[in-house]
Amino acid sequence: DTGVSQNPRHKITKRGQNVTFRCDPISEHNRLYWYRQTLGQGPEFLTYFQNEAQLEKSRLLSDRFSAERPKGSFSTLEIQRTEQGDSAMYLCASSFGGVIDTQYFGPGTRLTVL
Amino acid sequence: AQRVTQPEKLLSVFKGAPVELKCNYSYSGSPELFWYVQYSRQRLQLLLRHISRESIKGFTADLNKGETSFHLKKPFAQEEDSAMYYCALTGFGNEKLTFGTGTRLTIIP
Repeated sequence: DTGVSQNPRHKITKRGQNVTFRCDPISEHNRLYWYRQTLGQGPEFLTYFQNEAQLEKSRLLSDRFSAERPKGSFSTLEIQRTEQGDSAMYLCASSFGGVIDTQYFGPGTRLTVL
Repeated sequence: AQRVTQPEKLLSVFKGAPVELKCNYSYSGSPELFWYVQYSRQRLQLLLRHISRESIKGFTADLNKGETSFHLKKPFAQEEDSAMYYCALTGFGNEKLTFGTGTRLTIIP
């Protein structure tokens, strides 16, 4: 499968714990995006990278959230001191990096905070 | 601010009947509109985008800048069209997608 992959697919954690998710984009894609989707809503933008540079962050991304893409390939999204409100599907997408590229989505990581 | 509105959360249509999923947007620049689809237990995938002007799986969508709409249409619904449909918006110099809340389409056999 040469599509976007995400791990783990599901994560259950207790409130206050830290969690980290990984996204592997399509190999030739320069841009990588993170979105969050809660029940009954469409995906909401969190942040995106052009190669290893993080170029935009949403106001949704509180100080407890941090994302990295150290070598311009895979990316990690870490949530510190999780709260019940963090429970959501976290989606990763990638694109070539041209003007208004199509974004290709991964299967998502479902986070449940107890 | 950019915004996408999908007024119908649920839509049921009989097989063979026409389908129209509504999408309205608000954007100050020149928008690019997309329809993404999510079939049961599958990832979100692109159905079509305005700039390519293609018909995918019999679906078409026309950008109406006067009415700020990008409604998705299909003349004859098929059972395999049952899915969640999201309208999304971006623009030049604006890399993020803004999604609507989605419409769950159910085709009744």
